[in-house]
Amino acid sequence: EAGVAQSPRYKIIEKRQSVAFWCNPISGHATLYWYQQILGQGPKLLIQFQNNGVVDDSQLPKDRFSAERLKGVDSTLKIQPAKLEDSAVYLCASSLQVSGANVLTFGAGSRLTVL
Amino acid sequence: GESVGLHLPTLSVQEGDNSIINCAYSNSASDYFIWYKQESGKGPQFIIDIRSNMDKRQGQRVTVLLNKTVKHLSLQIAATQPGDSAVYFCAESGGTSYGKLTFGQGTILTVHP
Repeated sequence: EAGVAQSPRYKIIEKRQSVAFWCNPISGHATLYWYQQILGQGPKLLIQFQNNGVVDDSQLPKDRFSAERLKGVDSTLKIQPAKLEDSAVYLCASSLQVSGANVLTFGAGSRLTVL
Repeated sequence: GESVGLHLPTLSVQEGDNSIINCAYSNSASDYFIWYKQESGKGPQFIIDIRSNMDKRQGQRVTVLLNKTVKHLSLQIAATQPGDSAVYFCAESGGTSYGKLTFGQGTILTVHP
């Protein structure tokens, strides 16, 4: 089966600019996650969707980050305006389940560098 | 001990040796645990998982051990190969987390030929 697709793979912007990342999950996976992975750290959850509804966005910096999954399939994560500390890899993951023993399948990530 | 930023725990082994990677967790409500492998420039890749009603689970060349009493998880890799070199993360879920995984800091495994 096709994996989780993400684009762009790399993005370099200056602080205060905006950026958007796109994710296409595995077909049939109802749950979609965006994680932020800062260099040298484990991934940290930003937002979790089930179909097109938000399950958990408690760690999303809502003053600058937004995400949507309008048709319950693809998702977009936006940062506006970007700060230096937003430099990280943004990982999208999807899974069949919404709870319980839940294996997440990750994409390759989008690496953001903010100058 | 706890590592911050770039100072991830590291494990260096010779090809053919067995490797043991350890992970401590703090959430008593966690009931599902999973190990991921992350190679440079790639997303995390599933290795093996275990539910809290088990103490041990084996896969191909890998074994996960769970000690709920001391909240400790370990990943054993038999006959480690250079292709096993990567960062290894443990992750947990459970309670009211609705399936989301909370990741640990990670351990860098380097396998020398």
